Amino acid sequence: AIQMTQSPSSLSASVGDRVTITCRASQGIRNDLGWYQQKPGKPPKLLIYAASSLQSGVPSRFSGSGSGTDFTLTISSLQPEDFATYYCLQDYSSPRTFGQGTKVEIK
Amino acid sequence: QVRLQQWGAGLLKPSETLSLTCAVYGGSLSGYYWNWIRQTPGKGLEWIGEINDGGSTSYNPSLRSRVTISLDTSKNQISLKLTSVTAADTALYYCARPWRSGAARSLSYWGQGTLVTVSS
Repeated sequence: AIQMTQSPSSLSASVGDRVTITCRASQGIRNDLGWYQQKPGKPPKLLIYAASSLQSGVPSRFSGSGSGTDFTLTISSLQPEDFATYYCLQDYSSPRTFGQGTKVEIK
Repeated sequence: QVRLQQWGAGLLKPSETLSLTCAVYGGSLSGYYWNWIRQTPGKGLEWIGEINDGGSTSYNPSLRSRVTISLDTSKNQISLKLTSVTAADTALYYCARPWRSGAARSLSYWGQGTLVTVSS
């Protein structure tokens, strides 16, 4: 199975900060990666698909980049509603695998 | 608007069979891959498997010997069965569907989640 190594596992940031989260795949996965946001008590919400395509309805402060093995989720200006846990999920091959998650907390 | 509603037994004893159903409202099963995912505090999010509208399945090798995902097109429902459960299967279980039909895999529609606890 492809391993997805996500970092950092947690971070503290202030409103307005630029935040970057990374996922590294143990082998190349083209651009077959999605990014998800999860808040307590809710299912994950799709933010980015195909590594860099913004899902409909998601604010433009979220962006994704990367291909092959290295991927990045960037929040350009952190908003209060962005404090949550973020996950990557590779869609390249079965079994699909998630990153361990990054908890974004208020500084 | 597509909505996934799931249900099933929330408390099981070791060795019993987990059985969950996911009903799809506002959309068809046709053209999509339907997924089951579970979440635990310790292991995070784990993909269990998927089924397409033709009934072809793909399972996580870690669960393959115990899991079955099936469709009921007449009821617009997807089901998950996991046999011989142990405490390690205690988790929040989700059904999910990709954002569009065809080859797309990123999951934009999710059920509300069903907490399954395995305890003697």
